[in-house]
Amino acid sequence: EPEVTQTPSHQVTQMGQEVILRCVPISNHLYFYWYRQILGQKVEFLVSFYNNEISEKSEIFDDQFSVERPDGSNFTLKIRSTKLEDSAMYFCASRAVIVGELFFGEGSRLTVL
Amino acid sequence: SQQGEEDPQALSIQEGENATMNCSYKTSINNLQWYRQNSGRGLVHLILIRSNEREKHSGRLRVTLDTSKKSSSLLITASRAADTASYFCATGLIQGAQKLVFGQGTRLTINP
Repeated sequence: EPEVTQTPSHQVTQMGQEVILRCVPISNHLYFYWYRQILGQKVEFLVSFYNNEISEKSEIFDDQFSVERPDGSNFTLKIRSTKLEDSAMYFCASRAVIVGELFFGEGSRLTVL
Repeated sequence: SQQGEEDPQALSIQEGENATMNCSYKTSINNLQWYRQNSGRGLVHLILIRSNEREKHSGRLRVTLDTSKKSSSLLITASRAADTASYFCATGLIQGAQKLVFGQGTRLTINP
């Protein structure tokens, strides 16, 4: 069964360092998302991406964040200068149609020290 | 302000009993979805109900939607220990239609 894959599963970084989280969405999907979940808390929307551009972003997704789909398969989230409060589980998701189920990856746990 | 609020925040029942979780939301939606998350894992889609639907079934799951009250419920019948997980409702808004907005979740524990 097709699945969304994310790497790395866990990354530990120092405050101020750049981090890139990678995702391979399901191949025929058109809509791509990043969400994050601070431990024990709600799943928060970060950004949606469609037709090679950001379609919507949340207040969390400030200038320190960026997304790319460089090669038609990978979908990356970059945090330029990490802060302690960026520590969270980051989930990539994709879907085929705008009103439909989201398929989530298993997440990348980011720990900022 | 949060779009989705689940109630209760935590629920503990005996295996075989039914579990009911509720979700309330604030703005107009075009669909509402329920997801399940095992601890430390990704979210898994359970069921989608559109704004013009009132009830939907999938196996042991039953979802209702009352758009006049801006609320939904998820019923899991004949619960099993493997149903232990967190359950989230997610709303697809009419405006900002591309994203889903998740609630806080209900932590369900099924005791064997």
